[in-house]
Amino acid sequence: GQNIDQPTEMTATEGAIVQINCTYQTSGFNGLFWYQQHAGEAPTFLSYNVLDGLEEKGRFSSFLSRSKGYSYLLLKELQMKDSASYLCAVRDEDQAGTALIFGKGTTLSVSS
Amino acid sequence: DAGVTQSPTHLIKTRGQHVTLRCSPISGHKSVSWYQQVLGQGPQFIFQYYEKEERGRGNFPDRFSARQFPNYSSELNVNALLLGDSALYLCASSLHSGSETQYFGPGTRLLVL
Repeated sequence: GQNIDQPTEMTATEGAIVQINCTYQTSGFNGLFWYQQHAGEAPTFLSYNVLDGLEEKGRFSSFLSRSKGYSYLLLKELQMKDSASYLCAVRDEDQAGTALIFGKGTTLSVSS
Repeated sequence: DAGVTQSPTHLIKTRGQHVTLRCSPISGHKSVSWYQQVLGQGPQFIFQYYEKEERGRGNFPDRFSARQFPNYSSELNVNALLLGDSALYLCASSLHSGSETQYFGPGTRLLVL
């Protein structure tokens, strides 16, 4: 079966650091993606990991451990505009093409 | 450069009707994927098309169908609409059908009454 778990909600304050975890169980694995989705809008691409380790991109970093079926998204120097849903998605190599399997998303609320 | 475009942005239909949603990928992208996102959930994969051929199909009933045109744009068709089909329908494009990032369009919000 396929299962992707991430916390439903998280809260943090401006300037802080937050880590959003994602665990996955899929029949195959060909990369993990993080997307940001503001309410009523389309998901926008944040990061991609296919090998173990940390990928850093500005204030955002993403980590992957394939042996543990685990990833996290790290957001530094939080800003109010970071309030959004963060979606973890796995590309399952058993799926034809590049279908992504998404978690339910983590709603992050940043307060001042 | 224009991103992925979708039309219409919003749509209201009644049960039993049929709907056609349209998507134009990013220029140069040859693959289009369709997803359904119900409120409070992550997107669910419906179809992927590459070079006008279906490359993948998610767990959706036969009421859902799609096609891709020679210019790589795509249509998603849903017949015999049910209340549960109310959702945001997202189109995503990627360069090919392999290991590339998918970029999403703004979506079509469908309400079935």
